[in-house]
Amino acid sequence: NAGVTQTPKFQVLKTGQSMTLQCAQDMNHNSMYWYRQDPGMGLRLIYYSASEGTTDKGEVPNGYNVSRLNKREFSLRLESAAPSQTSVYFCASSEGIGQGALNYGYTFGSGTRLTVV
Amino acid sequence: DQQVKQNSPSLSVQEGRISILNCDYTNSMFDYFLWYKKYPAEGPTFLISISSIKDKNEDGRFTVFLNKSAKHLSLHIVPSQPGDSAVYFCCMDSNYQLIWGAGTKLIIKP
Repeated sequence: NAGVTQTPKFQVLKTGQSMTLQCAQDMNHNSMYWYRQDPGMGLRLIYYSASEGTTDKGEVPNGYNVSRLNKREFSLRLESAAPSQTSVYFCASSEGIGQGALNYGYTFGSGTRLTVV
Repeated sequence: DQQVKQNSPSLSVQEGRISILNCDYTNSMFDYFLWYKKYPAEGPTFLISISSIKDKNEDGRFTVFLNKSAKHLSLHIVPSQPGDSAVYFCCMDSNYQLIWGAGTKLIIKP
């Protein structure tokens, strides 16, 4: 099925460990995004990539780095995990950024549930 | 300071009746407004959107209403079906970044 694939689905880390969340889309979308969702809150944007070769900070970028490896793949790295980074992480993609994306919405992956102990 | 508020954490509606989900916002500069639906263990899926130049947009059983003077957005689902049971998020464009409400859990009773 076409869409956005995230790996892993679940992960438990110890404080200070590092890991990379992987995301790939097969819809030939230009723009990709990383969000986090915490209990009782809406999604918050961590980083986004408007097009291949560019990345920009979102609302909550501290403690994270990203790589737009190619048009299909956008990874999120936690260099030194902290308990405050316990969350569900969603990757998304869209046709473009701005009105095009807003007209048709974003396509989301099924999420990665990360626990940092 | 929440820019987007969904004041009802949950809503229970009888199957076949109308479901009305509400959303309030503070920033009058928002240009585009969207609703997303989310099932457990899945990512959000896009439902419907509306531009700030309109006050209503329909798509099948789903209608979104925008009242800019009141800074209020609502989603009507008619008739409600069991498959509509999910969490619904309103979100708004702020310089191409979406600002999300906390969500309303809709439960459709048979």
